[in-house]
Amino acid sequence: AQKVTQAQTEISVVEKEDVTLDCVYETRDTTYYLFWYKQPPSGELVFLIRRNSFDEQNEISGRYSWNFQKSTSSFNFTITASQVVDSAVYFCALSEGSGGGADGLTFGKGTHLIIQP
Amino acid sequence: DAGVIQSPRHEVTEMGQEVTLRCKPISGHNSLFWYRQTMMRGLELLIYFNNNVPIDDSGMPEDRFSAKMPNASFSTLKIQPSEPRDSAVYFCASSYPPGDHEQYFGPGTRLTVT
Repeated sequence: AQKVTQAQTEISVVEKEDVTLDCVYETRDTTYYLFWYKQPPSGELVFLIRRNSFDEQNEISGRYSWNFQKSTSSFNFTITASQVVDSAVYFCALSEGSGGGADGLTFGKGTHLIIQP
Repeated sequence: DAGVIQSPRHEVTEMGQEVTLRCKPISGHNSLFWYRQTMMRGLELLIYFNNNVPIDDSGMPEDRFSAKMPNASFSTLKIQPSEPRDSAVYFCASSYPPGDHEQYFGPGTRLTVT
């Protein structure tokens, strides 16, 4: 069975600090997809990134970066120079099988990130 | 292009009443998903469809829940009869698997059963 663990329930940092959100996953499939979503206080779920199991390249998008390591089954998310607008709940998710987005997502419990001014 | 559309955005009903949630996926997307979010259980998959066919409904809590997708542009999630423990935010999402694989979520329906 697949499982996603986000051990950090809540993180609070001061603006401009760097912060890393941890995600550890479990799956028996060799083909799978990993995702991060952001849920701001308004409640919608905003897609941030997708990685497939064959692509371990790290990715950077502006202040956001992702570190995918199959050896430790981790897909961590780092925000550099955090801003108050980054305050939200962040979810890591897993989808098994070659269907990728055609299969349901298993979500972690989420990490509530608080950026203090 | 419009995103996933859900209605109603908020629903308050009394225990025992029938509740119907609606979803219109993004045009051209052929996979549709229903999720539920609660404080206790987090985000959990209820059911999903590929090309209007239900693929996996193992997440549906019990027989009081049913979902249909009569065509590519419309889906419903029905709860009959509703119970207070069904109170949650229900999200619909759609994706186009041959393409980018991402699931795009609607704004959600906040259901309160009193």
